[in-house]
Amino acid sequence: AQTVTQSQPEMSVQEAETVTLSCTYDTSESNYYLFWYKQPPSRQMILVIRQEAYKQQNATENRFSVNFQKAAKSFSLKISDSQLGDTAMYFCAFRRTASKLTFGTGTRLQVTL
Amino acid sequence: GAVVSQHPSWVICKSGTSVKIECRSLDFQATTMFWYRQFPKQSLMLMATSNEGSKATYEQGVEKDKFLINHASLTLSTLTVTSAHPEDSSFYICSARDQQGAEEKLFFGSGTQLSVL
Repeated sequence: AQTVTQSQPEMSVQEAETVTLSCTYDTSESNYYLFWYKQPPSRQMILVIRQEAYKQQNATENRFSVNFQKAAKSFSLKISDSQLGDTAMYFCAFRRTASKLTFGTGTRLQVTL
Repeated sequence: GAVVSQHPSWVICKSGTSVKIECRSLDFQATTMFWYRQFPKQSLMLMATSNEGSKATYEQGVEKDKFLINHASLTLSTLTVTSAHPEDSSFYICSARDQQGAEEKLFFGSGTQLSVL
């Protein structure tokens, strides 16, 4: 079974600074997908970024980028130029092809002035 | 972009009653939908995978007679919490899989807060 671990229950960052959220996973699969989801206070799940395991290049979406280390099974999320609206729970997730999502326990990010 | 509508957003019911939650994919057909449960300050836990035209696949520890899932059409899945009790109070979220594009995508509903008195 796949497991996803987020070792940081809470993080805090000042506005305009950069923060990195950690995620590790365990799988015996070679082809899979990794995701970061954001859940703001509204509790709507919002896809932040996705990474296909077969792609060596790290995914980027505007201020969000990942550091995908396949051998180490690590998938961290970097948020640059943090904004107050980035305050949310962030979940790392894993999925095999055409299969279900497995979520990590989440990291609560607080962006402060 | 694709939208998944989940209804109701919140519901309060008396213990012993049944509650139905609907999940609709508005602009794509979803042969597969997923139902999650989320307790306060915790992660999403998959309850079951809903398959159009066939029986749902339940995760270990989830009572299928308690949480009835029906996926009668390509755009609608329903979760019925039968004989609800206070311990069933939780946030329930659905998601729908869109496999029609070049890459598979998953879209989430806005969730339903269930409070059982």
